[in-house]
Parts: sequence; structure tokens; C-alpha cells
Amino acid sequence: KAGVTQTPRYLIKTRGQQVTLSCSPISGHRSVSWYQQTPGQGLQFLFEYFSETQRNKGNFPGRFSGRQFSNSRSEMNVSTLELGDSALYLCASSRGQGVDEQFFGPGTRLTVL
Amino acid sequence: AQSVTQLDSQVPVFEEAPVELRCNYSSSVSVYLFWYVQYPNQGLQLLLKYLSGSTLVKGINGFEAEFNKSQTSFHLRKPSVHISDTAEYFCAVKGASGTYKYIFGTGTRLKVLA
Repeated sequence: KAGVTQTPRYLIKTRGQQVTLSCSPISGHRSVSWYQQTPGQGLQFLFEYFSETQRNKGNFPGRFSGRQFSNSRSEMNVSTLELGDSALYLCASSRGQGVDEQFFGPGTRLTVL
Repeated sequence: AQSVTQLDSQVPVFEEAPVELRCNYSSSVSVYLFWYVQYPNQGLQLLLKYLSGSTLVKGINGFEAEFNKSQTSFHLRKPSVHISDTAEYFCAVKGASGTYKYIFGTGTRLKVLA
């Protein structure tokens, strides 16, 4: 069974630009969660999508948005990039119901210059 | 709401020595508890989880953790570490009912010394 895949793996952008990251969950998984990981902050929850609907949301500004498609693939978008958005963005998928383990992708390393 | 505290940001330990990584949580509802490991340039991998039942949980790579409800703790232990255990370890909590999100601690960097 293929794992969670994230594209691209590395990305360099400049301030003010926007970026779109993609996540393909494990087959059969309907929930996709996104996290921002920075040194010292650990994993900060961005949002969770389940069956194309946002089910949970973290405390991030509106510049951070996401969506989920009917095949459960998910994208997250960050507009008007700031230097502080440099981070590893992790995607995790799960069945989304009951006791469900999250499976993580390798992440997308975003650098904002 | 739930929260997780990992008090130790870094733990150095010599090879073959025992190690304990501490995790405390707070929650107004029953919770599930998890430990994940992250190797350099990789995503997170589940080490073990507590859902219910026996408070001593065994995971992969020789790790185990004990759920202590009265102390709201879920400390991770290994009796003898290897160089390959060098990684970052994250404790996480999730509400046991409804659609609660996962809450992660800030991580503990375990460095095993030769």
C-alpha cells in the first residue's frame, strides 16, 4: 500500500508570493490534516479535511487555506508569503472515524526569502 | 480542549543506557495518547499508542510507555538505547470521542552518544 505523498518536497519562494502544496493520502483514507513544523514550536495544527469538508481548524491567519477533492487528495495554499512561513509542512491522512492512526507524509520544506 | 507538555527539549544519553522522555497532558475529556518519532528529513512515524485497557503500552523498536491517569502523564521509556534511536520524539493527545484534532507537544530531541 502506497504511503502518503507530498509534492513538491522542497520549495523556495520570495515574500509576497503565494504557494500551493499537495498531499495524496493513503488509499481509502478520507481525512487529511495539515501541520506546520518549525524548530522549537513542534507541530502546529493548520486544518483537517474530511470528505471534502473542513472539520477542524487551527489558529492560523486567513492567508492559510486548504481544500480537499473528491478523491481525498488535498491542497493547501499560502498567500502573501512572509519570512515566518518558512517551515516544514506535513500532511497526515487517516480513515477519519473512530480510533484512527494518522500516517504522515515526508513533508514539504518551504523556504521564504 | 487538550494540551501536551514535553518538558525536555533535548536529552543526551550514552549508548546502551536507559532513557525516559517525559510527556504530560491536560484534557477535560477522555483521551487517546500517542508517541511519534521523526528521523531527519522524514515525516513522523507512530511508535505506540494508548487507547484503553492496560496502562503499559509496548511499541516498535523496544520502546514502551505507561499511561498514568492520576498524574496525567504518558512517559516513553527504553531500557537500552542505540545510536539509531537518535531522532526527535513527539507526544500527542486526541479527544476520545467526537472529532477532536490531534494536539502535539513541542518534541524532545534524543541524542544517543557513543
